[in-house]
Amino acid sequence: DGGITQSPKYLFRKEGQNVTLSCEQNLNHDAMYWYRQDPGQGLRLIYYSQIVNDFQKGDIAEGYSVSREKKESFPLTVTSAQKNPTAFYLCASSMPGTASGYGYTFGSGTRLTVV
Amino acid sequence: KNEVEQSPQNLTAQEGEFITINCSYSVGISALHWLQQHPGGGIVSLFMLSSGKKKHGRLIATINIQEKHSSLHITASHPRDSAVYICAVRSVGTGTASKLTFGTGTRLQVTL
Repeated sequence: DGGITQSPKYLFRKEGQNVTLSCEQNLNHDAMYWYRQDPGQGLRLIYYSQIVNDFQKGDIAEGYSVSREKKESFPLTVTSAQKNPTAFYLCASSMPGTASGYGYTFGSGTRLTVV
Repeated sequence: KNEVEQSPQNLTAQEGEFITINCSYSVGISALHWLQQHPGGGIVSLFMLSSGKKKHGRLIATINIQEKHSSLHITASHPRDSAVYICAVRSVGTGTASKLTFGTGTRLQVTL
């Protein structure tokens, strides 16, 4: 079955360490996204990529970095510069311009806890 | 004021009840999504609407573009419907990327 795989599901890191969250999709979608979810808030966009080797900052990109070397993969690095990294991170993908129009698929998320 | 507002924030219903969750938005949109998030955190896309009404099983989603309002209805609710339901909109003019703006969600608990 096609879908998005995020790993790991839970991640613990010490303050000051960089950590990379994995996101892989086998849907052949062009666009991929990283969102952050905090209690009581809507999901907020961190970074997105419309095509391989290209990505754009979202609303809360500070302290994060991404790469898009392959169509299937869009890893997110949470750097030590991110002041409040503990959150739930969701990866998503979409295929613009299809007959169904901008359909979205989400991963199952990674819960990052920084101690 | 958020661009996407949902109501109610929390909802408790008994099994079998008809449920309505509302979503209002303040921007021009090209599409509206209804999403379901279960306690484990994963999100499932329920509907994507740009006009009218869609139905899937016991779920019905409607949208009124002029009034900038959408509703999600659940008929004959069941405890397995317990989840957080999230409304998200794709604003006009966001280019080819389908960036979404999300509501804060409605937490639904259906009891026996």
